[in-house]
Amino acid sequence: QKEVEQNSGPLSVPEGAIASLNCTYSDRGSQSFFWYRQYSGKSPELIMFIYSNGDKEDGRFTAQLNKASQYVSLLIRDSQPSDSATYLCAVNMEYSGAGSYQLTFGKGTKLSVIP
Amino acid sequence: DADVTQTPRNRITKTGKRIMLECSQTKGHDRMYWYRQDPGLGLRLIYYSFDVKDINKGEISDGYSVSRQAQAKFSLSLESAIPNQTALYFCATSSPPPTSPQYFGPGTRLTVL
Repeated sequence: QKEVEQNSGPLSVPEGAIASLNCTYSDRGSQSFFWYRQYSGKSPELIMFIYSNGDKEDGRFTAQLNKASQYVSLLIRDSQPSDSATYLCAVNMEYSGAGSYQLTFGKGTKLSVIP
Repeated sequence: DADVTQTPRNRITKTGKRIMLECSQTKGHDRMYWYRQDPGLGLRLIYYSFDVKDINKGEISDGYSVSRQAQAKFSLSLESAIPNQTALYFCATSSPPPTSPQYFGPGTRLTVL
């Protein structure tokens, strides 16, 4: 079964600290990985994507991918109270062979940044 | 204007009523999706459509039906609403994978009494 696993949290960090969010996935052939931020009662918003092993930085956000370990993470530097939200990891996984892919979401990690 | 819109944004209905949730997009994407989200259960896929003539069931399609009226429009119907269909419903769109993300509409909060 195709799965994306995240720690549900809540993860609490003080303002200004680095928040580290982790995600593991089951399909070794996955090629694209996404992080979404979801505020309570709102829709998921795409904040980062990564396709290659290593790090990708965008402002205060860094996505890290290790395909050998089937692990992707999101680091948020200088965390702000406005970063308090649920973060969803999503992975494009192959279903039924023949290049048929489906985006599979984890259940999300709730982040709380304490002022 | 928003790229993906959903109507209505909030709806309260009674058990047994038929309701329709509508989704429109201006992103030009072929693929459209309907999800429901319940606390602690994450996003669950109800139906998805790769183009106007291709509609597929997701993991929780029972009690729901869909219609793809055009490339830009995808509707979700609850034929006879029941209380456990109370949830937040999201429409999403994407280009073909494997590198494409999905983009979500603002959601519809549905309450079935």
